[in-house]
Amino acid sequence: DVKVTQSSRYLVKRTGEKVFLECVQDMDHENMFWYRQDPGLGLRLIYFSYDVKMKEKGDIPEGYSVSREKKERFSLILESASTNQTSMYLCASSTSGPRMYNEQFFGPGTRLTVL
Amino acid sequence: AQTVTQSQPEMSVQEAETVTLSCTYDTSESDYYLFWYKQPPSRQMILVIRQEAYKQQNATENRFSVNFQKAAKSFSLKISDSQLGDAAMYFCAYRKTGNQFYFGTGTSLTVIP
Repeated sequence: DVKVTQSSRYLVKRTGEKVFLECVQDMDHENMFWYRQDPGLGLRLIYFSYDVKMKEKGDIPEGYSVSREKKERFSLILESASTNQTSMYLCASSTSGPRMYNEQFFGPGTRLTVL
Repeated sequence: AQTVTQSQPEMSVQEAETVTLSCTYDTSESDYYLFWYKQPPSRQMILVIRQEAYKQQNATENRFSVNFQKAAKSFSLKISDSQLGDAAMYFCAYRKTGNQFYFGTGTSLTVIP
């Protein structure tokens, strides 16, 4: 059974803290994604990676960075958490190449609250 | 830029009835894929159904089917014989050549017993 896991389901942090959200996939997928999900705004792409050590900015990268040192792991970093980063964070992975019909597989999400 | 629009933030359906969720998208590409995802309350997002743009035949998966109108750039999801377990947030998504997906803002579906 394919799987995308995220390190925490719920996380509470204080303003100014450095926050790490971890995502691991076991499907040998080339692509990994971080989204932010807010009511009425849907899923907004923060960053994605199409290979180890490669990253691309999405629609809302400000205040975030990412790291992909191994193919199966993609980390989202909030350098200095702020209250407006309180949200649900979803990780996803997918294959590359001609198999465009392949969907993204999602993790369970991390609900982050910044106080 | 690619955009995906879901104009119905909330929908409700009586159990056993049929409901249609709307999705439109904007693209200049001819080759792309469309997806409907389901996110049950506090649960993982999963794929419901997918459609390849070059196929004219509408995709079906059991009680779920799509009405794909390529010229109109419309991709609606029909759920037949609605069940309580169908209650969820539904997202329409678009993927063209490349790795990025584009999602709509979602439709929250309530199933009334």
